[in-house]
Amino acid sequence: GNSVTQMEGPVTLSEEAFLTINCTYTATGYPSLFWYVQYPGEGLQLLLKATKADDKGSNKGFEATYRKETTSFHLEKGSVQVSDSAVYFCALTRGSQGNLIFGKGTKLSVKP
Amino acid sequence: DTGVSQDPRHKITKRGQNVTFRCDPISEHNRLYWYRQTLGQGPEFLTYFQNEAQLEKSRLLSDRFSAERPKGSFSTLEIQRTEQGDSAMYLCASSLASLDSHYGYTFGSGTRLTVV
Repeated sequence: GNSVTQMEGPVTLSEEAFLTINCTYTATGYPSLFWYVQYPGEGLQLLLKATKADDKGSNKGFEATYRKETTSFHLEKGSVQVSDSAVYFCALTRGSQGNLIFGKGTKLSVKP
Repeated sequence: DTGVSQDPRHKITKRGQNVTFRCDPISEHNRLYWYRQTLGQGPEFLTYFQNEAQLEKSRLLSDRFSAERPKGSFSTLEIQRTEQGDSAMYLCASSLASLDSHYGYTFGSGTRLTVV
């Protein structure tokens, strides 16, 4: 079946450190891939997306590249800030099926 | 448009009672989704509508759960005879079919249900 696996957290980094959150997926067909972020006390927000192989999604300094050969969509940021502290979810959609399938989430804490 | 609205934000109910949640999607979105999120887990898909038609239901959606979207606008999710295991955050999201993959989904802030 279709599934998303994320690295387990929590991840604790110092401000300005480099961030990588690993995400791999299993899917039939050609899914679209997403990263969502959930800040404390808030709803899920779309962070970035990629709809086909080798696409790179980017937003707010975060990047992720759709790697079909490794079925991965790792999230990276070169220099994290305290305000990036949140839970990050990797997700996929199964083409026209519509609904999102989420990973379990990775909690990131950034210390000043 | 103020995004996806969910009501109430919090609900505490006694075991065995019925509860109903409401979701108002973005007005031009024709797809509406319900998800459930428990602590430390990612959201799990429950069901979705395209316009007023319920197109898919997860096996997580037991017989005690029912969802409607009578006029293709707002939706309600009812849980009958609540159990403690129903305690979770219930999330609603909306999207525009055919553009799901390009624009993603807009989520509401959720309704937190606590069954005591």
